[in-house]
Amino acid sequence: DADVTQTPRNRITKTGKRIMLECSQTKGHDRMYWYRQDPGLGLRLIYYSFDVKDINKGEISDGYSVSRQAQAKFSLSLESAIPNQTALYFCATSEKRDTQYFGPGTRLTVL
Amino acid sequence: AQSVTQLGSHVSVSEGALVLLRCNYSSSVPPYLFWYVQYPNQGLQLLLKYTSAATLVKGINGFEAEFKKSETSFHLTKPSAHMSDAAEYFCAVSEGGGGYNKLIFGAGTRLAVHP
Repeated sequence: DADVTQTPRNRITKTGKRIMLECSQTKGHDRMYWYRQDPGLGLRLIYYSFDVKDINKGEISDGYSVSRQAQAKFSLSLESAIPNQTALYFCATSEKRDTQYFGPGTRLTVL
Repeated sequence: AQSVTQLGSHVSVSEGALVLLRCNYSSSVPPYLFWYVQYPNQGLQLLLKYTSAATLVKGINGFEAEFKKSETSFHLTKPSAHMSDAAEYFCAVSEGGGGYNKLIFGAGTRLAVHP
């Protein structure tokens, strides 16, 4: 089984809809991250969490919110999706200042 | 603020040729540096990392990178390209002291390998 899983893998939605992307990990890491990937821009950090009670905004948090339900679960929400949120979204986990392990990604299309 | 610049958004090499992907970084603290690879329709996979030990770092699939502080570079190389190396490669720097681990990514370099 994969260490970091993301659901759904693909999602098409309409402008204004609320969307939740979910991430689960079995690595036992405290730290979890959400990134979005856009062509030519690399990956940009949306939110990160160092433990269940510690959640921080990243570089591009506007329009997004997160919830850390447990050590192993970190969800990303788009309260009212807009077309420029069409992107590939990745969840990652790490142990302190070390390698981040990435999930397979969620491809989100907002029409 | 820390940043990463990858020179060349697209690199094309012949099978068997040297692969050189360039990465320069800026950092006000001793950096941790990473190279990740992304195959089509997959997530990112760690190739190698530098964490202030040996400056020449060996990774998976025959890749290696050399940390050069004077040049603020961390270029990725492989002596002989294989068709299976075709992918997108990302250089990243770990930001901040105190145990923080926010990765700052470069824009990526797409490597094409032709026969």
